[in-house]
Amino acid sequence: GENVEQHPSTLSVQEGDSAVIKCTYSDSASNYFPWYKQELGKRPQLIIDIRSNVGEKKDQRIAVTLNKTAKHFSLHITETQPEDSAVYFCAASIGSSYKLIFGSGTRLLVRP
Amino acid sequence: GAGVSQSPSNKVTEKGKDVELRCDPISGHTALYWYRQSLGQGLEFLIYFQGNSAPDKSGLPSDRFSAERTGGSVSTLTIQRTQQEDSAVYLCASRLDGHEQFFGPGTRLTVL
Repeated sequence: GENVEQHPSTLSVQEGDSAVIKCTYSDSASNYFPWYKQELGKRPQLIIDIRSNVGEKKDQRIAVTLNKTAKHFSLHITETQPEDSAVYFCAASIGSSYKLIFGSGTRLLVRP
Repeated sequence: GAGVSQSPSNKVTEKGKDVELRCDPISGHTALYWYRQSLGQGLEFLIYFQGNSAPDKSGLPSDRFSAERTGGSVSTLTIQRTQQEDSAVYLCASRLDGHEQFFGPGTRLTVL
């Protein structure tokens, strides 16, 4: 069935460094790939997304890249700040329902 | 404007009891989703509504789980004869025309 794998499960970086989180998906029909940030006890919040007809998208310090051939996509955060500390989830949208299949999450810790 | 709301925020119940979880989507959003997030895990798709119908129920774990939506708005997720493995945070999300799903704060269910 549909599956999204996410790595690493935890990531610790020094403030100011970059962080990269990678995901792979199984269903080649997937056409939408959002990234959500979830702070402790809070709801997931969309931070960036990309559609299958685009290879890269950037929004200030955050960027996402998509390789459809390899079926993987990545989140890049530059100049990390302590407030970037959270759990990040990737997802892939499947079918006409646009339901999301989520990765297992990456706990990012930015050390001041 | 108001976001997605869910009630109750927390629910503690005894094994074997039935529970109802409520979701109020963003006004006008026609699509509604239920997801489940177990402790330290990613989000698991349960069911999708378009209007009042549920064309995709593929994520419901067992026949103890059911959901309905009335008036194209409020949705209720019902879990019958709860089991300890049902303990999780149940998240609702709604969507209008685009791909983005907006999440509610979730209901934390604890089955003793």
